[in-house]
Amino acid sequence: QKEVEQDPGPLSVPEGAIVSLNCTYSNSAFQYFMWYRQYSRKGPELLMYTYSSGNKEDGRFTAQVDKSSKYISLFIRDSQPSDSATYLCAMSANQAGTALIFGKGTTLSVSS
Amino acid sequence: DSGVTQTPKHLITATGQRVTLRCSPRSGDLSVYWYQQSLDQGLQFLIQYYNGEERAKGNILERFSAQQFPDLHSELNLSSLELGDSALYFCASSVVGDQSTDTQYFGPGTRLTVL
Repeated sequence: QKEVEQDPGPLSVPEGAIVSLNCTYSNSAFQYFMWYRQYSRKGPELLMYTYSSGNKEDGRFTAQVDKSSKYISLFIRDSQPSDSATYLCAMSANQAGTALIFGKGTTLSVSS
Repeated sequence: DSGVTQTPKHLITATGQRVTLRCSPRSGDLSVYWYQQSLDQGLQFLIQYYNGEERAKGNILERFSAQQFPDLHSELNLSSLELGDSALYFCASSVVGDQSTDTQYFGPGTRLTVL
């Protein structure tokens, strides 16, 4: 079983839709959870950062972490064509020398 | 623009060859990370340097090596290249070097094609 699982999609939605992106993980030591957005032929950029369980909201984006289920989500409200990108979840256990573990990414396409 | 620069943008080479990828971190960032991104493996952490010293190692092959120089730029050396090494190689930088709490800023990547 991979440490981090993420459905690659592609996910196609109309403009204005609510988008739900998800990752599951197996390592219960993970405490730090991030979502990165990667446009085609560009490097990933950090979108959201969450520590432990709970919700975090930033504009149209909401990140949720459910550590009991080992499940994290990113919700995008009022999706826009400019949201079309690949979304990568990433997580870390914050032990010395450990690295961020990334999901393979979900490709999202928002049509106008 | 993240402020992280990588050269070259594209590299085409043959199996068995050796290449060097270069990264300049954002101004003020002390830590540099190298990642490999391929379709089947996704984004994989290779190695991290902090202020010239190796801090963490991921799935980096023995044929690959890296270093961070006193001016904080970093180079990733890939040798005895195989077809499977074809991928996007990203460099990222951060201020402190704590992978859990630091924001990593990614460069535009170097696309390596091994023929």
